[in-house]
Amino acid sequence: DQQVKQNSPSLSVQEGRISILNCDYTNSMFDYFLWYKKYPAEGPTFLISISSIKDKNEDGRFTVFLNKSAKHLSLHIVPSQPGDSAVYFCAASGTSGTYKYIFGTGTRLKVLA
Amino acid sequence: DAGVIQSPRHEVTEMGQEVTLRCKPISGHDYLFWYRQTMMRGLELLIYFNNNVPIDDSGMPEDRFSAKMPNASFSTLKIQPSEPRDSAVYFCASSYPTGPGELFFGEGSRLTVL
Repeated sequence: DQQVKQNSPSLSVQEGRISILNCDYTNSMFDYFLWYKKYPAEGPTFLISISSIKDKNEDGRFTVFLNKSAKHLSLHIVPSQPGDSAVYFCAASGTSGTYKYIFGTGTRLKVLA
Repeated sequence: DAGVIQSPRHEVTEMGQEVTLRCKPISGHDYLFWYRQTMMRGLELLIYFNNNVPIDDSGMPEDRFSAKMPNASFSTLKIQPSEPRDSAVYFCASSYPTGPGELFFGEGSRLTVL
């Protein structure tokens, strides 16, 4: 079963607008969450993370929101740029003695110029 | 600093052949992960090591898959015998020893089994 779910396989957004990518998880033991960005023929690269003690973390144009009660997180990109076009993966792990990172299936973002 | 190094970048083989994928983690990282990327399942964790010891191999799909980490700077993922459904991109990643945090991925090994 998929413990980390990204239900939107793709998303298209106009340049300059906000991109919102969503992620849901089922395991309440997860307490650390990460977003990765992947370009074709490259490995995923780290984008931003959030610990369960926070509900928001911001880094430049990227903000991650965590709603623990809903087991939901989202990544906001404002403003979106054509270079943001990539596949975005969310990942989750627990800190209670294991650092097993579980990834979602990814959302392909296309930012239209 | 060199990142995670994987080889080969591309492998094309025939069904039934043995495939060995290699990974050199970033020096000083003591967690090493093997992932497989497919369209249907996204990035799927196969196995991970801590200090060269396999911690969780529950993601390894079948006995045809095996992974080893003989020392801190080298790991292999072996498929024997390979099947067409094993075709995917296999990623190796490593991370710092200080608990959860960023994973550093290699560029991947694209495997095609004919």
